[in-house]
Amino acid sequence: GAGVSQSPSNKVTEKGKDVELRCDPISGHTALYWYRQRLGQGLEFLIYFQGNSAPDKSGLPSDRFSAERTGESVSTLTIQRTQQEDSAVYLCASSLGQGWGVEQFFGPGTRLTVL
Amino acid sequence: DAKTTQPNSMESNEEEPVHLPCNHSTISGTDYIHWYRQLPSQGPEYVIHGLTSNVNNRMASLAIAEDRKSSTLILHRATLRDAAVYYCILRQTSGSRLTFGEGTQLTVNP
Repeated sequence: GAGVSQSPSNKVTEKGKDVELRCDPISGHTALYWYRQRLGQGLEFLIYFQGNSAPDKSGLPSDRFSAERTGESVSTLTIQRTQQEDSAVYLCASSLGQGWGVEQFFGPGTRLTVL
Repeated sequence: DAKTTQPNSMESNEEEPVHLPCNHSTISGTDYIHWYRQLPSQGPEYVIHGLTSNVNNRMASLAIAEDRKSSTLILHRATLRDAAVYYCILRQTSGSRLTFGEGTQLTVNP
């Protein structure tokens, strides 16, 4: 289908290593979001891209986290020097734009385990 | 952010209606009420949203109290596939993020 895709689906890494997670949004969607979901909890907002505007990075938990987006396509979330508390499912979503009524479409997530 | 309060869990029987409540007493005048649900091992999916009037779509109905301090998501005939965590979310007026709470875990019994 033409939904949001994420890769890898699962990632196991050792504490201290860097990881890169990828998101392919739905074609034509100008807005892209990253969320984190710890086990048994709701989603935490991380970062939001809208077109060519400066991203809203207010949800990034530390400077070890960063994200980039190339135009209105692929985005990568990078976590440097991973810690065990970074273990979670990282979810990407995209939408047609910004607005109160605009639906977000979520990918299946990347499950990150930091040993 | 305006906060929502939902029961941790609810149970229903298959083929019966389900009413999922949400309290949002600090809602502001321009906050939209959104509902998403998350099936096991999947990302959330949009269910419905509204502002003041009740809303219906193919998945569910949304009943919004006159004072907008509470709302109810209605699944008219629950199926086993409706077993999920249901999140009631107020959309920020100045941004586009979704702020998720703990949600309601709905169990549907055959």
